[in-house]
Amino acid sequence: GAVVSQHPSWVICKSGTSVKIECRSLDFQATTMFWYRQFPKQSLMLMATSNEGSKATYEQGVEKDKFLINHASLTLSTLTVTSAHPEDSSFYICSARGASGRNEQFFGPGTRLTVL
Amino acid sequence: EDQVTQSPEALRLQEGESSSLNCSYTVSGLRGLFWYRQDPGKGPEFLFTLYSAGEEKEKERLKATLTKKESFLHITAPKPEDSATYLCAVQLRNQGGKLIFGQGTELSVKP
Repeated sequence: GAVVSQHPSWVICKSGTSVKIECRSLDFQATTMFWYRQFPKQSLMLMATSNEGSKATYEQGVEKDKFLINHASLTLSTLTVTSAHPEDSSFYICSARGASGRNEQFFGPGTRLTVL
Repeated sequence: EDQVTQSPEALRLQEGESSSLNCSYTVSGLRGLFWYRQDPGKGPEFLFTLYSAGEEKEKERLKATLTKKESFLHITAPKPEDSATYLCAVQLRNQGGKLIFGQGTELSVKP
């Protein structure tokens, strides 16, 4: 149980285009999902927290108009990187936390974004 | 400021050589401390959650302990397949469940 998937696993795009990354909880309902980014040899940095049906809460320094987050259902959250630039190239990872008092966060396999 | 510091940054062990990884934290209010394992190019894999000082949890060759200032991840008789980066993260009270991660310890176990 507690499986989280991400799609795509990797994507290469041209500068200026937008990229959408999906995060799904496969066997539980995720009331809260989190989006992180990770640069090589560095740890995970939280970008935003999204709760189903409400607006995402962004961490300081993260541009909400650039990183659009939608948490439309209890099993799906999406991150859209708009007008991507090479500096947005990174490893994007989502995590999901279920309801009913379970506090553990389970992570997806990550999405490698490369912007040319 | 809430901080999480892991040491050492890298650790090389021979197969069977037991050791410990450290996670020190300074936070305003701890709700829980998490340990994850991360393999290259993959997402973190959940290992343990600890909630109170004195708590211990075990899973195979791993044992996690918690005090009021730090947590240890003890690895007993490690095998090459235990090689990975081990991440520690703290969850604060009244912060919506978000995690603050340490920099990780890169463990390499040689046969």
